[in-house]
Amino acid sequence: ETGVTQTPRHLVMGMTNKKSLKCEQHLGHNAMYWYKQSAKKPLELMFVYSLEERVENNSVPSRFSPECPNSSHLFLHLHTLQPEDSALYLCASSQGRDLRGEQYFGPGTRLTVT
Amino acid sequence: AQKITQTQPGMFVQEKEAVTLDCTYDTSDPSYGLFWYKQPSSGEMIFLIYQGSYDQQNATEGRYSLNFQKARKSANLVISASQLGDSAMYFCAMISGSARQLTFGSGTQLTVLP
Repeated sequence: ETGVTQTPRHLVMGMTNKKSLKCEQHLGHNAMYWYKQSAKKPLELMFVYSLEERVENNSVPSRFSPECPNSSHLFLHLHTLQPEDSALYLCASSQGRDLRGEQYFGPGTRLTVT
Repeated sequence: AQKITQTQPGMFVQEKEAVTLDCTYDTSDPSYGLFWYKQPSSGEMIFLIYQGSYDQQNATEGRYSLNFQKARKSANLVISASQLGDSAMYFCAMISGSARQLTFGSGTQLTVLP
């Protein structure tokens, strides 16, 4: 496989469930990102892992928990979500975090919280 | 803080014609990079073109060109010879030397008419 892959592509979960989103990049990059894309809102950066250092957006609720076991894999663990967390969750990777490092995105996971 | 503004929520263009998608940005950082991404209905974000703040010439990539006007803080995307497959959401994004994270605009939905 090439590029950035995400699984599952679609997920429906109840508010009491625990689930995880998975992202894998095959580009040899050293930085990975989680974004949230809600309807009619700009993409919102949730977490960045760069050289195994985590940078997070302080406004992200604790019910979202990232994990980056190595530079190729990134997880987003979900628990006790709310209906307003329904959105498209996009993973991306880049080589470094410099100005020229364009990010390559996965196809996203469409999450619906019921 | 950095900010991206896309004032056109939707645009229509006739097939084979050119179209300009507007983007203005705000940052106090002298070093920054500007990106355009395309998001088809499938959800994946596709990198189109990049412009660095110190680049002397406007970026071009095939049918895509970026009209970079630094004094006006604008970075409009020009698509020449539109094709039906160009119908998608288009996002302008910026990364600055200090923030080191992508900030996205709200997007423009482009529809190419046959």
